[in-house]
Amino acid sequence: EVQLVESGGGLVQPGGSLRLSCAASGFNFNIYGMSWVRQAPGKGLEWVSVISESGDDTFYANSVLGRFTLSRDNSKNTLYLQINSLRAEDTAIYYCAKKGLSSSWLWVYDYWGQGTLVTVSS
Amino acid sequence: QSALTQPASVSGSPGQSITISCTGTSTDVGGYNYVSWYQKHPGKAPKLVIYDVSNRPSGVSNRFSGSKSGNTASLTISGLQGEDEADYYCSSYTGSSTLVFGGGTKVTVL
Repeated sequence: EVQLVESGGGLVQPGGSLRLSCAASGFNFNIYGMSWVRQAPGKGLEWVSVISESGDDTFYANSVLGRFTLSRDNSKNTLYLQINSLRAEDTAIYYCAKKGLSSSWLWVYDYWGQGTLVTVSS
Repeated sequence: QSALTQPASVSGSPGQSITISCTGTSTDVGGYNYVSWYQKHPGKAPKLVIYDVSNRPSGVSNRFSGSKSGNTASLTISGLQGEDEADYYCSSYTGSSTLVFGGGTKVTVL
């Protein structure tokens, strides 16, 4: 059974940093791209970032470019999202998601975690 | 990266069919067959119901179907059931190595 378990969320002051983790199990982690998608309170889904199966390629939404860094450790089946220079508008539930069956390279997600809440407030 | 345009809400009675539209541009929806649809119940993780415009993942009911014409993609739910009441989001590859979601549509079963 595929499982994705996010952790690392919490309350942080504006300008602060957090590192989110996503522990994966139940599938061959190192052959799938992985992504982060967030949902602000009362808002819709927003794509954040994606990383290739090897970790050699990463892509980011304009809203987080330069502040967020996505990485993975295939030996630990774990995905990481380093988030810096946090702003109030980064407050959201952050979901990690596994790339799904698709002819596209990295752009469809078939399994999602339950999310971890990041709250940016003074 | 402007969000794709979806109606805020759609409703239907049990057994009816409803269609949710997702309008983008020639650089996202119209340019690639990489449109997906996700179902999201409150407090739950999103669930993939359609990928690559019209493909259904294993285990998803055949009451869900997808299509695309020009810059607009559509999700149709036939034989509407109470469990279908949820928010639905479309997404599309944008061609600039990013993904964009629609604003979401709340489906209400009357």
